[in-house]
Amino acid sequence: EVQLVQSGAEVKKPGESLKISCKGSGYSFTNHWVGWVRQMPGKGLEWMGIIYPDDSETRYRPSFQGQVTISADKSISTAYLQWSSLKASDTAIYYCARWDVVGATSQYFDLWGRGTLVTVSS
Amino acid sequence: SSELTQDPAVSVALGQTVRITCHGDSLRVYYASWYQQKPGQAPVVVFYGRNNRPSGIPDRFSGSSSGSTASLTITGTQAEDEADYYCNSRDISGNHWVFGGGTKVTVL
Repeated sequence: EVQLVQSGAEVKKPGESLKISCKGSGYSFTNHWVGWVRQMPGKGLEWMGIIYPDDSETRYRPSFQGQVTISADKSISTAYLQWSSLKASDTAIYYCARWDVVGATSQYFDLWGRGTLVTVSS
Repeated sequence: SSELTQDPAVSVALGQTVRITCHGDSLRVYYASWYQQKPGQAPVVVFYGRNNRPSGIPDRFSGSSSGSTASLTITGTQAEDEADYYCNSRDISGNHWVFGGGTKVTVL
């Protein structure tokens, strides 16, 4: 089965670090971009960034650059999203999704994980 | 503008047609993709590119684009179509991607 399986919910305190994961299976993980999407409580979707697992080329939305780190380990078909120092405002559901490219003018997320709820509270 | 703008909410009678729009300068160059999200669930792509509907998505979902506006149309809206809908595309720089703010579709 083609799927992305995300790690479980996390509860952290402000200032703590965190790394959540997204494991792909059923397809060639190295040959598809993987992206991360944030959804804060009661809010819309926010495109955070994408990574190409084969060479770890990464692109961030400017507002997330420097705030999070996206990485991947192609040997275990897993992408990661990490924080070095969490803030209460990082509380959200984080989705990973496979990013498909259909020509130069069309890209989309064709396969989604179920999301990881991150709660940051003192 | 690098942003994509959607109406926050729209309502439609059961069986009628609803059009959800997404406005942004980048849409003159790049196609949008559209996602349906029901409460407590991950988003699902329902339309993308010039004219692409993923397998398993009912043909009552269709997309179009004109100038700086992309549209998702649901023809013969069903109760199960009640959800939030988001558009996504590149920003005008072409280097980044953004989602629209989302449109909540209520089926009456």
